[in-house]
Amino acid sequence: QVQLVQSGAEVKKPGSSVKVSCKASGGTFSSYAISWVRQAPGQGLEWMGGIIPIFGTADYAQRFQGRVTITADESTSTAYMELSSLRSEETAVYYCARGVMVPASKHYYMDVWGNGTTVTVSS
Amino acid sequence: DIVMTQSPDSLTVSLGERATINCKSSQSVLYSSNYKNYLAWYQQRPGQPPKLLIYWASTRESGVPDRFSGSGSGTDFSLTISSLQAEDVAVYYCQQYYSTPWTFGQGTKVEIK
Repeated sequence: QVQLVQSGAEVKKPGSSVKVSCKASGGTFSSYAISWVRQAPGQGLEWMGGIIPIFGTADYAQRFQGRVTITADESTSTAYMELSSLRSEETAVYYCARGVMVPASKHYYMDVWGNGTTVTVSS
Repeated sequence: DIVMTQSPDSLTVSLGERATINCKSSQSVLYSSNYKNYLAWYQQRPGQPPKLLIYWASTRESGVPDRFSGSGSGTDFSLTISSLQAEDVAVYYCQQYYSTPWTFGQGTKVEIK
């Protein structure tokens, strides 16, 4: 049973960047997608973007374009999400999630989730 | 972007009673090529990550109790818990994977009466 193990909590200054990792333990994600979803305190879920390693392409939500970079290292079964120009309102829990691909498409639903990484943005 | 709207925002139900959550999408998430609805439901218990319950609008994920069922097509969907148990206290989200950005409903909080 694959698990997604995320890196530890981060405290960042406004305007700085954060890079969060997500390692597949007990399996690989070579035939899956990896998405990043964030959740501000007491709020709902927001999809930031995702990557399909076998295609090597990442797709981002428009509101994060230019500030977020999602990458994947298939050799270590690890995905990364880097977010720059952080603002205090981006304090949130950041989740990675594995996407089950719909054959012959780039659609996927998310079946396994990491435990989340808390990113606190504060001066 | 496809907007997902859930109703109600919160629901209080007695143990053993039925709970129904509705989800409406701003455009159809039914793919004409395969007649599948690109709609999933997740459960998020307090302090936990989301857990996949249902995909393709009505297919239960392995290990999910059969008291959870999904229905609907096109733009209108429902998640039903047939007999509410204490462990079902959570926030439930619908999500479309028809077109990016994938979008979620605002969530429905289910509590015990």
